Amino acid sequence: AQSVTQLGSHVSVSEGALVLLRCNYSSSVPPYLFWYVQYPNQGLQLLLKYTSAATLVKGINGFEAEFKKSETSFHLTKPSAHMSDAAEYFCAVSDRSRDDKIIFGKGTRLHILP
Amino acid sequence: EAQVTQNPRYLITVTGKKLTVTCSQNMNHEYMSWYRQDPGLGLRQIYYSMNVEVTDKGDVPEGYKVSRKEKRNFPLILESPSPNQTSLYFCASRPQSGMRTDTQYFGPGTRLTVL
Repeated sequence: AQSVTQLGSHVSVSEGALVLLRCNYSSSVPPYLFWYVQYPNQGLQLLLKYTSAATLVKGINGFEAEFKKSETSFHLTKPSAHMSDAAEYFCAVSDRSRDDKIIFGKGTRLHILP
Repeated sequence: EAQVTQNPRYLITVTGKKLTVTCSQNMNHEYMSWYRQDPGLGLRQIYYSMNVEVTDKGDVPEGYKVSRKEKRNFPLILESPSPNQTSLYFCASRPQSGMRTDTQYFGPGTRLTVL
């Protein structure tokens, strides 16, 4: 069965610094991977997704993620953090062993320090 | 505007009093799903539906019911709510069943408190 592990339930970075949110997956088949963002009091929205095309995926709001099969990772990065990036971020994997199921990680809350 | 709507957004109720949380999408999506979000546990799937009249259990279905009589609506029913069902609930939809690369669209959430 597939699973997702997000390292760090809380991450703090200074405004203007690099954002790095870590996600490792477990899958016996090539996965489909997603990053979602949840702003306060809102639902989740898709940041980006990997669907076996380019390994470097660019998303909205300047975020990108790189699929590394050898490391079973799909870390999310942004070169320069902005105050508006403060939110909770979820990594997710599509479970090919069960119809249409997406498995979410436990989430990482990103704090931006002024 | 394409969206998933949920009602109510906030609900406080008492143990045992039946309630329904409605979910509606205007994008003609086949696939719909319910999740609950709890601190430190992320999102866990309660039920999902691949099309009208087709529903199946997710990871945490106990204490919940769903129905899919129309393509656009997917209500979540708590026949006898208990305090351990206090949570933040999200409805989501996706264009096609079987298309795992499709983006899921989430509703704004329903915060439920069961006293």
